[in-house]
Amino acid sequence: DAGVTQSPTHLIKTRGQHVTLRCSPISGHKSVSWYQQVLGQGPQFIFQYYEKEERGRGNFPDRFSARQFPNYSSELNVNALLLGDSALYLCASGMMSYEQYFGPGTRLTVT
Amino acid sequence: GIQVEQSPPDLILQEGANSTLRCNFSDSVNNLQWFHQNPWGQLINLFYIPSGTKQNGRLSATTVATERYSLLYISSSQTTDSGVYFCAVGGGVNDMRFGAGTRLTVKP
Repeated sequence: DAGVTQSPTHLIKTRGQHVTLRCSPISGHKSVSWYQQVLGQGPQFIFQYYEKEERGRGNFPDRFSARQFPNYSSELNVNALLLGDSALYLCASGMMSYEQYFGPGTRLTVT
Repeated sequence: GIQVEQSPPDLILQEGANSTLRCNFSDSVNNLQWFHQNPWGQLINLFYIPSGTKQNGRLSATTVATERYSLLYISSSQTTDSGVYFCAVGGGVNDMRFGAGTRLTVKP
């Protein structure tokens, strides 16, 4: 079975630009969560979607938004990029309150 | 929100040694997982263990939910065990809270 997939693998953007990151969950999983991991820290929760509805939001500004599609894949959008948004963005899929599986991540660099 | 503390922050071992990593959390949880993050950033699932004890080869884990801590044991460590180990806990909405990690270095 395929694991969680994310695209792109790496991305370089300029301050003020917009970025879209994509995630496909493991087949059968209806929950997708997004995390941001800056260098030297643990991942920080951004959003959780379950059955296409937002079920949780972390302490991130409104520049961050996400959505989940009917096939349970998800997009994370970040507007007006700042240097501080440079990080590894991780997507996880699972069933509610059970084991979560992470994708390989998208490494975003903002210059 | 739930606070997660991991100790020690750094651990250096000789190959073949045993180690214990600890995770303390501040509230009751529905989900607790241990991960190993490889050098490319991939989080590898080690254990899903909200309570009880599990073993997988040289690794084992114990969670005492009533006392709000979990332990990860690594026996006969190998250089390939090097990396960062994370404990993550989840409440009702499944927004998992991660600790700061334990960076393990195993020397040959």
